[in-house]
Amino acid sequence: EPEVTQTPSHQVTQMGQEVILRCVPISNHLYFYWYRQILGQKVEFLVSFYNNEISEKSEIFDDQFSVERPDGSNFTLKIRSTKLEDSAMYFCASKTGGEKLFFGSGTQLSVL
Amino acid sequence: AQKVTQAQTEISVVEKEDVTLDCVYETRDTTYYLFWYKQPPSGELVFLIRRNSFDEQNEISGRYSWNFQKSTSSFNFTITASQVVDSAVYFCALLERQTGANNLFFGTGTRLTVIP
Repeated sequence: EPEVTQTPSHQVTQMGQEVILRCVPISNHLYFYWYRQILGQKVEFLVSFYNNEISEKSEIFDDQFSVERPDGSNFTLKIRSTKLEDSAMYFCASKTGGEKLFFGSGTQLSVL
Repeated sequence: AQKVTQAQTEISVVEKEDVTLDCVYETRDTTYYLFWYKQPPSGELVFLIRRNSFDEQNEISGRYSWNFQKSTSSFNFTITASQVVDSAVYFCALLERQTGANNLFFGTGTRLTVIP
């Protein structure tokens, strides 16, 4: 079964550094998402992306965050200047036009 | 206000017991979708079920069953004859359609521990 692939599985960075989290959505999917989960808490929506632009974003997704689909396969989340509170598991997800979201296995980001 | 409430933070059961995980949702939309996801210790989110607001028929899949009650805005999940491999955090989630939102609202999750 096709799956959403996320790399790296773990990322450690220093506060203030830029990080890029990478995702390869399922190939025929049209909608792309980033969610995050702070340790022990619920999964929270960050941003959705469709037709090469952001379609929706949450209040968490401030100016420090950006997303890009640089080519036909990758979907990236960039955090410009990481803060301690950015430490979380970041999930990429994708879907066709239906309702079922397929999630990747996540990238655990640790900001020191 | 929480759109999805999972009041049970943690549940422990002994293997082979049945267990029900509660989910209560809140929405003004008449068209919406409800989901359950499993998050095992490895961290990934595993899709279990999707149910739309027009389909109140309960569903059974092996040891899993779901009870959707629109009258009480609940979408409960029962595991029959639990196994150690069922130990995970289970999330209920809501997708609203009419508001134009295109993202899932997750509950806070229920951590299930099945004791051998």
